[in-house]
Order: sequence, then structure tokens, then C-alpha cells
Amino acid sequence: DARVTQTPRHKVTEMGQEVTMRCQPILGHNTVFWYRQTMMQGLELLAYFRNRAPLDDSGMPKDRFSAEMPDATLATLKIQPSEPRDSAVYFCASGTRTGARELFFGEGSRLTVL
Amino acid sequence: GENVEQHPSTLSVQEGDSAVIKCTYSDSASNYFPWYKQELGKGPQLIIDIRSNVGEKKDQRIAVTLNKTAKHFSLHITETQPEDSAVYFCAARGPSQFYFGTGTSLTVIP
Repeated sequence: DARVTQTPRHKVTEMGQEVTMRCQPILGHNTVFWYRQTMMQGLELLAYFRNRAPLDDSGMPKDRFSAEMPDATLATLKIQPSEPRDSAVYFCASGTRTGARELFFGEGSRLTVL
Repeated sequence: GENVEQHPSTLSVQEGDSAVIKCTYSDSASNYFPWYKQELGKGPQLIIDIRSNVGEKKDQRIAVTLNKTAKHFSLHITETQPEDSAVYFCAARGPSQFYFGTGTSLTVIP
């Protein structure tokens, strides 16, 4: 059963600490999206990649967030230093190409920054 | 860029009644409109979608309608059941990414 795998599922950290979230897209999918979900903003697009190349990261605060795809099976989202306002659920989604017909979402990483 | 608006933000219905969620979009170039269901603690999952060359699509108790002229599309759930309780998101596909509505929290009261 193909699915997007995200780790960790839950993370509690203190302000100022570095946080790294990982995503394993579905094998064969070459497009990966990172979304942030909060009650106030809904689903916000942070960044997306096609064939491991970043296509758009304009939704991401550049001073503290970074996203990479070291290889086709791993996408990472890093926050350094973390702040309480970063508390949210972060979702990774993968598809077969940019604007793919269907996005497959992972279960999300719930981040709490104290 | 595209702007997707979704209403209502919360919806409560009695079991067996119908539920309707409405979305509007701004970019006439958008050509694909999926609906996602998100259960508590889970990621969104696609439940139905419609392309811009189709006006209506049905899948059992779920249907979606699209009015390209007015730039709005709707999700209809008939004979609602408690397991339909979830957050529903509409989306529009632009040239390179998806644009999501803000979600509707549906509660089906047994």
C-alpha cells in the first residue's frame, strides 16, 4: 500500500531549537509539496519540488526555514531557530508531476514550540 | 495567483440529511478541482474531483458540480452518516500548484 511517510509524527521543542521534519514520498512520484496547517490559515504551501529541484519556496520564511531533497526518497523541512508561532501541523504531499491530478498526503508532523 | 474561497466554515446536519459545501475560484485558467476529506489526526485524502470540461460528477452519495462561467463548484453529500464528520477542503489546480480553500468542518449528528 503506497503512502507518504512523515517523521516525526509529533515534536515538542523549546524556542530556539532546530527542528527537522522528514518525508518519504511515494516511490515513483517526482513532485513533493510541503504544507503547513493552522486553524487560522488553513493549508499554506511552503515549498515544492519537481525531480528534486525546488520550484517555489516563496511561501516559506527564508530566514529560518529551509527545504531540501537530498535524494528522490527523502525530503526535509528544517526550522532553525524555531519560534512558538511555528507551532502547526506540517504536511508533505507527493504527486507524479507538477500540477499532478492527485496529491497524496502524509499523516503530518505536529510541531509544538514552547 | 488563484484565490479559492470556501463556505461555510462549519456545518452541522442531522444524520440522513444532505450537506452542501461551496467554493469559488478566481483564475479562469484553473482546470481541475479536487475535494479532500481530512479526518482527525490524519492527512487530507481525495474523495472526488472534477475537470473543467465536466459540469457534474457523482460517486455514490457524493457529487460535485462545477459552474465555469460563475467560477464556483460545490460538494454535495446525500444521506449523511456519522462517519462523514470531518474537515473538507476544496482546491483548484493552477499552472503549477494547488490552491486550497480554508476548509469546512462538517458534523453529522446521529
